[in-house]
Amino acid sequence: GQNIDQPTEMTATEGAIVQINCTYQTSGFNGLFWYQQHAGEAPTFLSYNVLDGLEEKGRFSSFLSRSKGYSYLLLKELQMKDSASYLCALRNGYNKLIFGAGTRLAVHP
Amino acid sequence: GAVVSQHPSRVICKSGTSVKIECRSLDFQATTMFWYRQFPKQSLMLMATSNEGSKATYEQGVEKDKFLINHASLTLSTLTVTSAHPEDSSFYICSARLERGTTNEKLFFGSGTQLSVL
Repeated sequence: GQNIDQPTEMTATEGAIVQINCTYQTSGFNGLFWYQQHAGEAPTFLSYNVLDGLEEKGRFSSFLSRSKGYSYLLLKELQMKDSASYLCALRNGYNKLIFGAGTRLAVHP
Repeated sequence: GAVVSQHPSRVICKSGTSVKIECRSLDFQATTMFWYRQFPKQSLMLMATSNEGSKATYEQGVEKDKFLINHASLTLSTLTVTSAHPEDSSFYICSARLERGTTNEKLFFGSGTQLSVL
């Protein structure tokens, strides 16, 4: 089976940097994803890591360490619109995408 | 990017009725689609994997006779909630996998269907 852990809630200030951590345990691994989801909407793809290291895409970066079962999503220059849930998801050995419970991020002025 | 259309976005029905939700890949062919359910403030839970031209694969605990899935073409999968009850009220989301060569790394999601059973 698999298990994904991420913090339930985080708060941050507009313009700041926030790091959302995700740890996982799985018997098969075919990549780790981060999605953003606003309330009542479908998730939107943010990043994908399958090899160790940092992937940078604009204000968002994602890091993966397969040996540690650890990933983080880094959001820079936070904006109010970044207030959303951030879902860590891993693709397991059966190529199914399994989601963590999500981290609700609140950005305040 | 690839577009997945899901319809309807919201449905309210009486207990005991059946509801059909459609999921279409608009600009690509999807041999595999996934159906998720999400309760308020909880994560997406995979219900089943829909395979074009064959039977769907259901996750443990999901009743196949309750949630009928049909994937008759490369661009359309449907989920029918049969004899819906209030406990079936949830946000249902479909997704389609865009496969590029051997690297099928992306899932694209429909906009979701909020089902409310009275």
